[in-house]
Amino acid sequence: GENVEQHPSTLSVQEGDSAVIKCTYSDSASNYFPWYKQELGKGPQLIIDIRSNVGEKKDQRIAVTLNKTAKHFSLHITETQPEDSAVYFCAASLTGGGNKLTFGTGTQLKVEL
Amino acid sequence: EADIYQTPRYLVIGTGKKITLECSQTMGHDKMYWYQQDPGMELHLIHYSYGVNSTEKGDLSSESTVSRIRTEHFPLTLESARPSHTSQYLCASSEAGPYPEQFFGPGTRLTVL
Repeated sequence: GENVEQHPSTLSVQEGDSAVIKCTYSDSASNYFPWYKQELGKGPQLIIDIRSNVGEKKDQRIAVTLNKTAKHFSLHITETQPEDSAVYFCAASLTGGGNKLTFGTGTQLKVEL
Repeated sequence: EADIYQTPRYLVIGTGKKITLECSQTMGHDKMYWYQQDPGMELHLIHYSYGVNSTEKGDLSSESTVSRIRTEHFPLTLESARPSHTSQYLCASSEAGPYPEQFFGPGTRLTVL
């Protein structure tokens, strides 16, 4: 089955700096890669996703890149703000495989003032 | 805001008790999921359903059971709770389709004494 590794497990940045979270996956057939943000006391919420036919996708301050050859994808947050502090999860899925997501182990991001 | 609800939010119970964690969604989604979330954050799929009368076991073995008698309702039951069942349980739902966003409930934090 799919295995997703995520690094780092914790990340502390100063407000205004950029943050990068990296994930690798094992199943070359996976073709959908969402990112979820989990705030304290809440369930995860989708913030951005990327499909295998695209190398990069941006939405305001967040962007995701995908390298299918190397089987890794990354989340980039620019101009970080205190409200970006949360746990971030990457995930991988094979469409047609029941839409089951395999999640990474999570990254605790702390944005310090 | 996703329309998916979980009750109770917190539950402290003694060993050997039978418990049911409730999950309901009002979005008409066919697919529903239960995840167990470790204190270390990692999400593990324990059950999923493609629709009414469909239930499947997830990647992580669990002593819990689920049922799907109505589209909107996906309860999880533990017949005899044990301290090893102490965890956060997250319910999610999604539409059918190749790239479905999973909408998560707020979770139930279960403590078995």
